[in-house]
Amino acid sequence: QQPVQSPQAVILREGEDAVINCSSSKALYSVHWYRQKHGEAPVFLMILLKGGEQKGHEKISASFNEKKQQSSLYLTASQLSYSGTYFCGTDDSNDYKLSFGAGTTVTVRA
Amino acid sequence: GAVVSQHPSRVICKSGTSVKIECRSLDFQATTMFWYRQFPKKSLMLMATSNEGSKATYEQGVEKDKFLINHASLTLSTLTVTSAHPEDSSFYICSGSLLTNEQFFGPGTRLTVL
Repeated sequence: QQPVQSPQAVILREGEDAVINCSSSKALYSVHWYRQKHGEAPVFLMILLKGGEQKGHEKISASFNEKKQQSSLYLTASQLSYSGTYFCGTDDSNDYKLSFGAGTTVTVRA
Repeated sequence: GAVVSQHPSRVICKSGTSVKIECRSLDFQATTMFWYRQFPKKSLMLMATSNEGSKATYEQGVEKDKFLINHASLTLSTLTVTSAHPEDSSFYICSGSLLTNEQFFGPGTRLTVL
């Protein structure tokens, strides 16, 4: 079942922060975050596994709240290169198959 | 991260012809490969799961006779769109999965059927 992402879109100025949420109606084994630029394939950012954890990659970090069946992606001190569409992918069957949210389009302006 | 390649990157074909798309994991052995399609400004939709040496598992609503998947080795999977029609025009993306559950996507293939 497709997870729900919010917001649909966000516009930031360089240096500002943003949070993208991903929630599921099912218990999750893992949550995967990707960023896709226009006309390109999604690029893997990070994976969060069951057990509840936080991860970070430079100034992009994420948390996974197992009980609430949701994950959040944090963009800190955003850079122009952060622009793109962010997708969360969720695995609710532990079979490595991912269901993707509708995406959140992030636009970072100078 | 792991690298996955796809070929071709773009293909334009006439209605009724078949098109083969290759997906290769270049620096790792992908135990599982996945095929997705993506419409403009939409999310990725899983079409099928491919395991080396076995038949692909198709998602509900995906015609297995139309989208033929072959997983010849741990580094190569192919998707053949048979008797393509304009409604098959889309962005097709494959991904290779590591044992750690991470999926790495290929650059995608844009198919246009005239």
